[in-house]
Amino acid sequence: ELKVEQNPLFLSMQEGKNYTIYCNYSTTSDRLYWYRQDPGKSLESLFVLLSNGAVKQEGRLMASLDTKARLSTLHITAAVHDLSATYFCAVDRYSGGGADGLTFGKGTHLIIQP
Amino acid sequence: GAVVSQHPSRVICKSGTSVKIECRSLDFQATTMFWYRQFPKKSLMLMATSNEGSKATYEQGVEKDKFLINHASLTLSTLTVTSAHPEDSSFYICSASLSGLAGDWETQYFGPGTRLLVL
Repeated sequence: ELKVEQNPLFLSMQEGKNYTIYCNYSTTSDRLYWYRQDPGKSLESLFVLLSNGAVKQEGRLMASLDTKARLSTLHITAAVHDLSATYFCAVDRYSGGGADGLTFGKGTHLIIQP
Repeated sequence: GAVVSQHPSRVICKSGTSVKIECRSLDFQATTMFWYRQFPKKSLMLMATSNEGSKATYEQGVEKDKFLINHASLTLSTLTVTSAHPEDSSFYICSASLSGLAGDWETQYFGPGTRLLVL
């Protein structure tokens, strides 16, 4: 059974600081996703990581993937209040192409205080 | 970008009634859609995979007779919660995959969700 673990589950930080959210998964997978969810809303796609060593950046967020360690990180640089949300990582169970349902981590509830 | 819509966005029903939720891909065709449910302050749990033209594949522990899925066309999947009970109250979210499109490979786009409250 595929398991996806995120930590921390809750993070309160000040604006301007840097921090990293970690996502470990238990089996080999070709695809690792990061999503953002605002309260009462659905999911917004942030990054799709497809290969070992992949690094993607968008604004103050940067995601990386180490498939050998089965670890992905989401790094926040110089946090601003607008980044307050819940962040989920998710893993596609199916290797080798084709769409498959995702297994999600429990989410990291991020609060950024002025 | 790819857009997935859901209808209704919110529904309140009485216990014992059935509720249908629609999921549409607005600007692309989706041979596969997925249904998830999310309890308050919890993560998303995959319920089933909806395949156009064939039966849905349900995850372990999900009652297929209770959660009926019909993928009638390449742009529409429906989830019907039959004989709803208060414990079925949840946030139901569908997603569709953009398999094969250049520059957006395998991203799953999520609908806005349907909040179901069963009284």
